[in-house]
Amino acid sequence: DAKTTQPTSMDCAEGRAANLPCNHSTISGNEYVYWYRQIHSQGPQYIIHGLKNNETNEMASLIITEDRKSSTLILPHATLRDTAVYYCIVRVWGDNYGQNFVFGPGTRLSVLP
Amino acid sequence: DTGVSQDPRHKITKRGQNVTFRCDPISEHNRLYWYRQTLGQGPEFLTYFQNEAQLEKSRLLSDRFSAERPKGSFSTLEIQRTEQGDSAMYLCASSFSGETQYFGPGTRLLVL
Repeated sequence: DAKTTQPTSMDCAEGRAANLPCNHSTISGNEYVYWYRQIHSQGPQYIIHGLKNNETNEMASLIITEDRKSSTLILPHATLRDTAVYYCIVRVWGDNYGQNFVFGPGTRLSVLP
Repeated sequence: DTGVSQDPRHKITKRGQNVTFRCDPISEHNRLYWYRQTLGQGPEFLTYFQNEAQLEKSRLLSDRFSAERPKGSFSTLEIQRTEQGDSAMYLCASSFSGETQYFGPGTRLLVL
C-alpha cells in the first residue's frame, strides 16, 4: 500500500472548518483514500473514504485532487469533540485484498475554544 | 447494529503471567483483525482472520502470541509469559470481506 504524509499537528478554532491535508503521491489506480480518527484512549473511528470523486457524509467531506496525489479532509464546523488524531490511509479495496491498514503517525488536531 | 466489542477494557498483570483478550466483531462481518498500539504511535497490524482461518500474521506476532477464531465469530488473543514490552492497547477490527474496517474500543494492557 502507498505511503502517506500528514502534518504532525494542527489547530482549529471551534466553529470553523478544519482542513486536514494528506499527500499520497505514489497512490496507485486501485487504491482508495481512507480517513480515520482516534480520540484519546478510544479505538479508531472510521470517517470517510473515496477513490477519485469527492465524497461527503454526515461527519466530513473528502476532496481528492484530480491527479489523486493528495487529498483534504474537511470538518465543516469543528467542535471541541473533534479534537483527535486523524489518520489518512491509502489501501486497495475489495474481496481479493484482505490485509491490514497501515497507520502512520497521523495529524493531531486540536480544536480550540 | 452493535459495534465491535472487546473484553476486558483494561488489564494489569505481572510479568510472566498469561493474558487472554476477547473480541466480538460486528455480526455479519467475516473478517477480523488484531492490531497493537503503543503510546504515541498509530496502530500496527498483528493478524487477521477470514471466518475461522488465520490468513496473515505480522512479524510482530512473536511465538508468545496466539490468536484464534474457532467458529468464525468471536476471537481471542492470548499472550503467554508477558513482558513489559507487551504493554500496549490491543485493538480489534472487523469488516465484510475487504471493505471498511470498524474498530472496537481496545483492551489496554499494563505489564508490571
